Parts: sequence; C-alpha cells; structure tokens
Amino acid sequence: EVQLVESGGGLIQPGGSLRLSCAASGFIVSSNYMSWVRQAPGKGLEWVSVIYSSGRTYYVDSVQGRSHISRDNSKNTVYLQVNSLRAEDTAVYYCAGGTEWLQLDYWGQGTLVTVSS
Amino acid sequence: QSALTQEASVSGTVGQKVTLSCSGNNNNIGIYAVGWYQQISHGAPKTVMFGDSLPSGIPDRFSASKSGTTASLTISGLQPEDEADYYCSTWDYSLSGRVFGGGTKLTVL
Repeated sequence: EVQLVESGGGLIQPGGSLRLSCAASGFIVSSNYMSWVRQAPGKGLEWVSVIYSSGRTYYVDSVQGRSHISRDNSKNTVYLQVNSLRAEDTAVYYCAGGTEWLQLDYWGQGTLVTVSS
Repeated sequence: QSALTQEASVSGTVGQKVTLSCSGNNNNIGIYAVGWYQQISHGAPKTVMFGDSLPSGIPDRFSASKSGTTASLTISGLQPEDEADYYCSTWDYSLSGRVFGGGTKLTVL
C-alpha cells in the first residue's frame, strides 16, 4: 500500500522559512514524479512544484526564486523549502506522487502552514 | 483567475447522468492529457480519471473525454457519495507548470 505522509507545517511569521517533508512508503520517490499542491482556506487547489525522476524541477511563478524542491533517496522523502513566507502562502500543502508524467496517482493527507504574526 | 475554467457548481439527482466541463486553450488541454480529482469535504484529493483511464478502485460510472480545448468528466448513475468538489488539471506549455481549474462543487440532490 502506498502512503505519503507530510510533516513540517505550523505557524510561521511573515518573512520566515519552512521545510515540508513528504515521507513515502510503498512508492519510490526517486523513480517517479513528486509534486506539491496547496490549498488556501476556502480556495481551490494550486500546484506549487514538481521534481521529476531525472531531477528536473519546476515551480509556480508565485514561489519561483524563493522555493526549492528536493529529495533524499536514502530516506525516500521529498522536501519543499519555501523562504520569505507571505500571508498568501497560508494553505494546506499536499504531497502527490505520479508514476507517469502528469499523473497524480497518490496523495498525502496534507500539512497546514499558517503564515501570520 | 485559473488557467482552466470549470463550472462553479453542478447538481443532479441520484441515478442521473451529469457532465462537468473544463475549458482551456492550445497551450494546455489542447495538447496534454487531463486529470480529474475528487475532494470530499476538503479532505485529501483523489484521482478519479486521467486521460480516458480509470484508476484502480474508481467506479466505472466515471468517464472522461476531450474535444479540442475542452475536457469533460461524466458521472453516469450519480450516487450520494459522489457529492464533492472536482478539479481538472494538466500541464501548461506556456507557463511551464501544472494548472488546475477553479473546481466544480457537485451536489447530489
């Protein structure tokens, strides 16, 4: 059974940084496509970033330049670092994994990030 | 403003067939496969269709199609448990990123 478990959320002051983790079991992160998708309170889904099996990465414009997606193959875990946090980064952050490009076969339960002073 | 446009809300009765639409352009839906994601009560999303493929465990009353720059999700034989928010998503060539629709709230009357 595939499980993706996010952690690292919490209350963070504006201008601060966060590093979210997505620990996978039953699914090899280095061989697949791993994405982060977020959902602001009462809003829809918004894609944030993806890391391909090749290591190639992409980011949504609103976090480009202040975010970094990475993975630790030995821990089978994907990370999302976001710096210079703003109130509009407040959201539940979901990790999702796909076996093929564009697929989001598996989703985690999400971790809540609140940016507020 | 989402790159993909979905109806804000759709409703149907049990047993009815409903179709949700997702409109894009030739930088996204026109050239890439579309995924559909179900989210019940703001829980974790779940994939209900990718392209025209039904993931394991998803009832075969779900189907999807695409014509030009519009994708559609059809639920034949609507069930109470289908009440949820549905999102479409694909890649956008010009944005070099994934895009989601704004979501459709499906109500089962």
